[in-house]
Amino acid sequence: EPEVTQTPSHQVTQMGQEVILRCVPISNHLYFYWYRQILGQKVEFLVSFYNNEISEKSEIFDDQFSVERPDGSNFTLKIRSTKLEDSAMYFCASSVDNNQPQHFGDGTRLSIL
Amino acid sequence: QQQVKQSPQSLIVQKGGISIINCAYENTAFDYFPWYQQFPGKGPALLIAIRPDVSEKKEGRFTISFNKSAKQFSLHIMDSQPGDSATYFCAAIKAAGNKLTFGGGTRVLVKP
Repeated sequence: EPEVTQTPSHQVTQMGQEVILRCVPISNHLYFYWYRQILGQKVEFLVSFYNNEISEKSEIFDDQFSVERPDGSNFTLKIRSTKLEDSAMYFCASSVDNNQPQHFGDGTRLSIL
Repeated sequence: QQQVKQSPQSLIVQKGGISIINCAYENTAFDYFPWYQQFPGKGPALLIAIRPDVSEKKEGRFTISFNKSAKQFSLHIMDSQPGDSATYFCAAIKAAGNKLTFGGGTRVLVKP
């Protein structure tokens, strides 16, 4: 069964450094998403992306965050200057369209030191 | 108005028993209500979902009950098995929406 893949599984970064989290969505999916889950808390929406542009973003997704689809297969989340509170699991998801279920990857654990 | 409230936070059930998890929402624009199952170290996996035009949906041992007037929905796991031990999240999304709004999760432990 096709799946969303994310790399790396764990990223450790010094505060203030830039980090890029990578995702390969399911190949025929057109809608892409990033969510995060701070330890012990609920999964929170960050951003959705369709047709090479952001379609919706949350208040969490401030100027420090950006997303990009640099080629036909990858979807990335960049955090420009990481803060301690950015430590979380980051999940990528994709869907065929925005009336179909979203399928999640296994996440990247981001630890900011 | 965007919240989805989920209860209980945790649940212990004996093998063969029924696990029941409840969710309530406020936003009447929500149009699709999926349940996700998450094992440690894994991402949320879609388990079962329902739209508000039906009151119940069953897939194997998993059943969603939906009460549109009360703005509540629940997941029933029949004949619970140790392999069902996981965290379960309810969620909601608007028609043609982008953003899944998740409940806080329920950690289910099925004792053999």
